Amino acid sequence: NAGVTQTPKFQVLKTGQSMTLQCAQDMNHEYMSWYRQDPGMGLRLIHYSVGAGITDQGEVPNGYNVSRSTTEDFPLRLLSAAPSQTSVYFCASRPQYDSGYGYTFGSGTRLTVV
Amino acid sequence: AQKITQTQPGMFVQEKEAVTLDCTYDTSDPSYGLFWYKQPSSGEMIFLIYQGSYDQQNATEGRYSLNFQKARKSANLVISASQLGDSAMYFCAMREAIFRYGNNRLAFGKGNQVVVIP
Repeated sequence: NAGVTQTPKFQVLKTGQSMTLQCAQDMNHEYMSWYRQDPGMGLRLIHYSVGAGITDQGEVPNGYNVSRSTTEDFPLRLLSAAPSQTSVYFCASRPQYDSGYGYTFGSGTRLTVV
Repeated sequence: AQKITQTQPGMFVQEKEAVTLDCTYDTSDPSYGLFWYKQPSSGEMIFLIYQGSYDQQNATEGRYSLNFQKARKSANLVISASQLGDSAMYFCAMREAIFRYGNNRLAFGKGNQVVVIP
C-alpha cells in the first residue's frame, strides 16, 4: 500500500516557468489537500478537494491551480513560478467519513524558484 | 488571526524523561478536532494523536497522550519516556467545519522543536 505519493521530490524552476506537482493516493480517500511549508510558518492550506470534480481554495491559493478528475489524483499547477513560491509542498488525504482520521501526508516536494 | 499557537522555544530533553509540548487554539466552532504531527529531519509528516472536541477522555496513543483542557482551549502533547528517535519538530493542528464543503481544513501551529539527548 503506497499511501500518498508525491512527485517529484525536488525541483528547481526559473521564474516564470510553469510546472505540475503530482499527488496520487491509493486509499480511496475522498478528501485531498495541498499545503506549503515555509520556515517559521507551519503548514498553510493552498487548495483542497472533497471528491472528484470538486475543489476549493484554501488560505494561500494565489498562483496555483488544481483539478480533481479522479479520486486518486490531485495535481497542483504553478502557472508562472515566482521566488515566493519556493517552499516544501505536501499533499494530504483522508476518508470523508472518519473525522478523527489522521490525514495521511505525502513525503513532500521541495521546490526552489530562482 | 492565529488559530493555533505554539510558543515554546526549542527544547532539550533527557532521554527517558517526559516532555510536554504546549498548544493553545482559537475557535468558535463547537465541533472541532485537534491533531499532533511529528516531523523528523527527514521531512515527512507523521500523525501521532487526535482529540475530538466532544471526547470526554483525553486521547492516548502508546507513549503519546493529549492533555485536553477545553475551557482553556489547550491541547498539550505529553511524550512519556523520551527516546532519541523522538527528536523532531512537533506540530499541533486543528480541524474546523467549513460551511460549504464540510470539515477538511487543517490549521497548523508553527511547531515545537524537540531534541532528545542521551
